[in-house]
Amino acid sequence: KQEVTQIPAALSVPEGENLVLNCSFTDSAIYNLQWFRQDPGKGLTSLLLIQSSQREQTSGRLNASLDKSSGRSTLYIAASQPGDSATYLCAVCPDRGSTLGRLYFGRGTQLTVWP
Amino acid sequence: GAGVSQSPRYKVAKRGQDVALRCDPISGHVSLFWYQQALGQGPEFLTYFQNEAQLDKSGLPSDRFFAERPEGSVSTLKIQRTQQEDSAVYLCASSRTSGTYNEQFFGPGTRLTVL
Repeated sequence: KQEVTQIPAALSVPEGENLVLNCSFTDSAIYNLQWFRQDPGKGLTSLLLIQSSQREQTSGRLNASLDKSSGRSTLYIAASQPGDSATYLCAVCPDRGSTLGRLYFGRGTQLTVWP
Repeated sequence: GAGVSQSPRYKVAKRGQDVALRCDPISGHVSLFWYQQALGQGPEFLTYFQNEAQLDKSGLPSDRFFAERPEGSVSTLKIQRTQQEDSAVYLCASSRTSGTYNEQFFGPGTRLTVL
């Protein structure tokens, strides 16, 4: 069974810092990997999706990398802002052995950016 | 609709009561997923629909959990004889097609508290 681990579990930083959130997964047979943001009381918002053939994706201040063979992904947040405070979830979609589209999630990293 | 909606947003039930949680996916979306997110955990897959067909229910934790999508649009997740361990946020997600991976759009979730 696919296991997804996220480190650290929580992170509290001052505004302006550059951050790295880590995600690892046990089975490298993935179709893609996705980073989500979850705000309290709200659903998940997709931030970046990396196909298994890609090594990274960028959107604004966010950059996500994927090393499929070693089972790792990192989410890099540049020049963090208080509005970035949320829980960040990593999810993988296996490419075999389960319903296509079924996502396996980590527990998330709870990020607090203070002014 | 503009997005995935879920109702109710909050539900408090006494242990032993039955509850029904509703999901309205984005209009025309073929695939629909239910996930369960316990406090401090990542979402866990419950079940998957392709139109009205329930193709994967391997994540349902017990036979007290039942889901349906009779007309291929709105879905209902029913939990019979609720237990305290059923307390969680129940998330619904839909995607445009099946057979290949498409971005999943998540609803805000229903927070169920069983007393």
